[in-house]
Amino acid sequence: GAGVSQTPSNKVTEKGKYVELRCDPISGHTALYWYRQSLGQGPEFLIYFQGTGAADDSGLPNDRFFAVRPEGSVSTLKIQRTERGDSAVYLCASSLTGQGESYEQYFGPGTRLTVT
Amino acid sequence: SQQGEEDPQALSIQEGENATMNCSYKTSINNLQWYRQNSGRGLVHLILIRSNEREKHSGRLRVTLDTSKKSSSLLITASRAADTASYFCAPLYNQGGKLIFGQGTELSVKP
Repeated sequence: GAGVSQTPSNKVTEKGKYVELRCDPISGHTALYWYRQSLGQGPEFLIYFQGTGAADDSGLPNDRFFAVRPEGSVSTLKIQRTERGDSAVYLCASSLTGQGESYEQYFGPGTRLTVT
Repeated sequence: SQQGEEDPQALSIQEGENATMNCSYKTSINNLQWYRQNSGRGLVHLILIRSNEREKHSGRLRVTLDTSKKSSSLLITASRAADTASYFCAPLYNQGGKLIFGQGTELSVKP
């Protein structure tokens, strides 16, 4: 169908709360990526899925961050005990594959998370 | 750091002029990708150039890659006000897929 979609587009939460951010990749794309971007900076890699499994989670900043992709399509990024420093735009991207021949990544519009 | 480093950080030109942005990286790459971002949201893929390619064109965009110097450049010809955006290069260092972005070049095209 259409491009990568992300919900919600904006999320405001209080410090200490739990949040979930959702990503719907392009149909048929096996690779899915999460990045986050702070103001004035480039996107920073968080985690990459190939199918259902996390192929590389080296970018997750700490154990408060967790992501799943149980059926190899939709992914959810989960943040526990949110901190003000978690405020950023969270971007999701998908590509045909992340292994072998590496293809361009298609990005969603992002979720702007604000922790007050 | 393995991120691409864009230069200049900011560029302001008049409509119709050409804009050149440069990118340097640290180690050997699988490919290098250029993206555009408007208003701090969703990135748009522009061009992917593989390590065995030296030049690639797409419309008004021209990308070069010099693996001996570990650098790439993005040229936008006959710029338009709509080209105003941030431009990022993202080297891909292995076949694992994650992109390492720099801080980008903020391009402003004045009508």
